[in-house]
Amino acid sequence: GQNIDQPTEMTATEGAIVQINCTYQTSGFNGLFWYQQHAGEAPTFLSYNVLDGLEEKGRFSSFLSRSKGYSYLLLKELQMKDSASYLCAVRGPSGSARQLTFGSGTQLTVLP
Amino acid sequence: DTEVTQTPKHLVMGMTNKKSLKCEQHMGHRAMYWYKQKAKKPPELMFVYSYEKLSINESVPSRFSPECPNSSLLNLHLHALQPEDSALYLCASSPPGAADTQYFGPGTRLTVL
Repeated sequence: GQNIDQPTEMTATEGAIVQINCTYQTSGFNGLFWYQQHAGEAPTFLSYNVLDGLEEKGRFSSFLSRSKGYSYLLLKELQMKDSASYLCAVRGPSGSARQLTFGSGTQLTVLP
Repeated sequence: DTEVTQTPKHLVMGMTNKKSLKCEQHMGHRAMYWYKQKAKKPPELMFVYSYEKLSINESVPSRFSPECPNSSLLNLHLHALQPEDSALYLCASSPPGAADTQYFGPGTRLTVL
């Protein structure tokens, strides 16, 4: 099975940098995704990591270490609109290749 | 067309009603998913269709019945639901390929009275 841990809540200031961590224990691993979800809306895809290292996409970066079962999402130059829940999701082994297991989400509040 | 659409946006139904949720995508994705999401909780996978065939059913009660009439459409038929089934129902689709990134529709907010 899959066990995914991420902090429940984080607060940061507009213009700052914030790092949201995610740790996972899985019986198989086939990629890690980060999604952003505003209240009452659908999750939107942010990033995908399957190999170790950093993936950068504008103000957002995501890092993966498979040996440590660890990922983080880095948000730079925070804006008020970044206040949302950030979901870490792991895809299981190839037998269930299309199945994502989501963490409980980290609710980020950006303050002025 | 780069989006997943869902109808209706909101649905209120009684426990004896029969209703259906609809999901549509025209991105050529061959996998489609139904998730259930309660407030302040992550999405929970219900069903996965791959190439119009049901490939995963996460022990969902039979009062939820999925249907995939073609590669662009996914329905969820609802019958004799319980108040605890009230939730946001999300549809997603993903293209064939290594990443299989799932793209979500806006969801249907379901309230069962």
